[in-house]
Amino acid sequence: QVQLQQSGPGLVRPSQTLSLTCSVSGASISSTVDFWGWFRQPPGKALEYVGYIHSSGNTNYSPSLESRVTISIDTSKNEFSLRLTSVTAADSAMYFCVKSRADGYSLPDSWGQGTLVTVSS
Amino acid sequence: QSVLTQPASVSGSPGQSITISCTGTSNDIGDYDYVSWYRHHPGKGPKVIIYEVSHRPAGVSLRFSGSKSGNTASLTISGLQAEDEGDYFCASFTTRNNRYVFGTGSRVTVL
Repeated sequence: QVQLQQSGPGLVRPSQTLSLTCSVSGASISSTVDFWGWFRQPPGKALEYVGYIHSSGNTNYSPSLESRVTISIDTSKNEFSLRLTSVTAADSAMYFCVKSRADGYSLPDSWGQGTLVTVSS
Repeated sequence: QSVLTQPASVSGSPGQSITISCTGTSNDIGDYDYVSWYRHHPGKGPKVIIYEVSHRPAGVSLRFSGSKSGNTASLTISGLQAEDEGDYFCASFTTRNNRYVFGTGSRVTVL
């Protein structure tokens, strides 16, 4: 059974960089048939896609976040990470790491437990 | 931001069947069979209970079933049990700008 365990700070200062990590167990992050990614849910709003990475290093990001987001992968640690720069209060949200089948359409089949990130001074 | 429309709450008595609807557009549910249903336990990540409209992952009860008609997908829970109480949401692939669109969420109550 795939398990995704998230880690990272819950409080980030405005204009700073949000960094979260997702450790994977029960699956290899080097798998060529899976995407690894991030979604977020601002308070009172629907979930939204942040981005995906494939073990090949190919990435896909939400158009609205593309200029500020980087998703990276560390196959030696079987984990992947999210960096979001120049954060504002609008980036406050519950962030989830996910696994999806790498076909370009499939929705996530595994989710991390979520990390509530608040952007505040 | 586009969302899929779900009823805020659905309720039923033990043993009954309930159906949660999820209404989208021709840009998502209407044209694609990539619709999933999730249950979200507080403090945990969502768990998929239906994928690709009507497929159940291993380990999910046969009491859960999914279907689609036009721009609306549906989740039916048969033989409702107290343990089914909780929050459910739908999601779909979309050709609009952000790849996926999510439902507004429905709270299931067992009377």
